[in-house]
Amino acid sequence: DTEVTQTPKHLVMGMTNKKSLKCEQHMGHRAMYWYKQKAKKPPELMFVYSYEKLSINESVPSRFSPECPNSSLLNLHLHALQPEDSALYLCASSNDRVYNSPLHFGNGTRLTVT
Amino acid sequence: QQQVKQSPQSLIVQKGGISIINCAYENTAFDYFPWYQQFPGKGPALLIAIRPDVSEKKEGRFTISFNKSAKQFSLHIMDSQPGDSATYFCAAQVTGNQFYFGTGTSLTVIP
Repeated sequence: DTEVTQTPKHLVMGMTNKKSLKCEQHMGHRAMYWYKQKAKKPPELMFVYSYEKLSINESVPSRFSPECPNSSLLNLHLHALQPEDSALYLCASSNDRVYNSPLHFGNGTRLTVT
Repeated sequence: QQQVKQSPQSLIVQKGGISIINCAYENTAFDYFPWYQQFPGKGPALLIAIRPDVSEKKEGRFTISFNKSAKQFSLHIMDSQPGDSATYFCAAQVTGNQFYFGTGTSLTVIP
């Protein structure tokens, strides 16, 4: 088990649905990330939150909306997605108060858009 | 532009053999080089990491070799086991900035 917990594990949604992905960590990390991963590809950075403020948005379409309610939680709100958005969505955290802190990933949410 | 180039794309090794995965980079500002292991249906997990002031780091059967002048680093898995079959990603970071991942290597260890 990882120290970064993501729910749900699997999600199937239609293109008109609204859903949310959730991520939680209790390691005291103040940097949290959303990545998108397609099959047999590396994770692609979507968003970075640092101290609960959005610090990086990698030109992600507005149908993806991140939220960081507090230092332990990270949400990704989904609306009007396209079939090509089907992927594994990974949450990660890192301890940005420590030099050379690695990313700690959750096991992801497998999203299918129909 | 791919910041970190990784090879090979796939690798098949006999049980007990040595698996070697190579990565190369251009940005000399990178100061942290982790390797991640990912099993199907799971997120990537940190395997081992190195800083550029060290030429080699070993943890159990896993060794990173780092060549700063050539801007290359590699992962060696000694005595490869079927349980090592996974996808491996190298990565590089300038401290405080985002991580750049290699394209991944799918390793299969056959009994």
